Amino acid sequence: NAGVTQTPKFQVLKTGQSMTLQCAQDMNHEYMSWYRQDPGMGLRLIHYSVGAGITDQGEVPNGYNVSRSTTEDFPLRLLSAAPSQTSVYFCASSPRPSALAKNIQYFGAGTRLSVL
Amino acid sequence: AQSVTQPDIHITVSEGASLELRCNYSYGATPYLFWYVQSPGQGLQLLLKYFSGDTLVQGIKGFEAEFKRSQSSFNLRKPSVHWSDAAEYFCAVDRGSGTASKLTFGTGTRLQVTL
Repeated sequence: NAGVTQTPKFQVLKTGQSMTLQCAQDMNHEYMSWYRQDPGMGLRLIHYSVGAGITDQGEVPNGYNVSRSTTEDFPLRLLSAAPSQTSVYFCASSPRPSALAKNIQYFGAGTRLSVL
Repeated sequence: AQSVTQPDIHITVSEGASLELRCNYSYGATPYLFWYVQSPGQGLQLLLKYFSGDTLVQGIKGFEAEFKRSQSSFNLRKPSVHWSDAAEYFCAVDRGSGTASKLTFGTGTRLQVTL
């Protein structure tokens, strides 16, 4: 009963490096999202997906790419890391809204990223 | 666009005292409302939610929240705080039924509990 799993938990990058933050869920949820958390700003939505093959931008999408080839996985890619991307990243999943399963998001434990 | 305001950045209460954390939202229709808690170095845990119906909702760990449409508020309360309640609390709003869940969060309130 893992829920939402994020890897790695910590990462340090140099400016210009690329990396992928992994997110996997085992609840068969259709919707998945990526948020970043910065001090004094709460969590802000980066990208989200309503199903395999479908993604869309959130509030702060610049500098990030996503794809959703399977229901379970929703990786977040940083193509050329910048110091402004130093943050804590959270992945979340939620079921398709219905009378029984409303808009409740389940969060992973987060990835703490530092870009030097 | 929806928005959430948590006016208190930091609150300190004594153990055993009552607690109220404020949350105001801006949204055209009745939103879905949530309170999440984040312990240091941890992810977010759902405390409680409001979708419709009874405006006083009960959550985990003895927390409750009251939805007041006239005041666009969804304040979180607890009658007696425990030292383990020290954490950061986030209020969030969602669009509502039939759409993909996209949360807008407040900036959070950090709760400190003194013994």
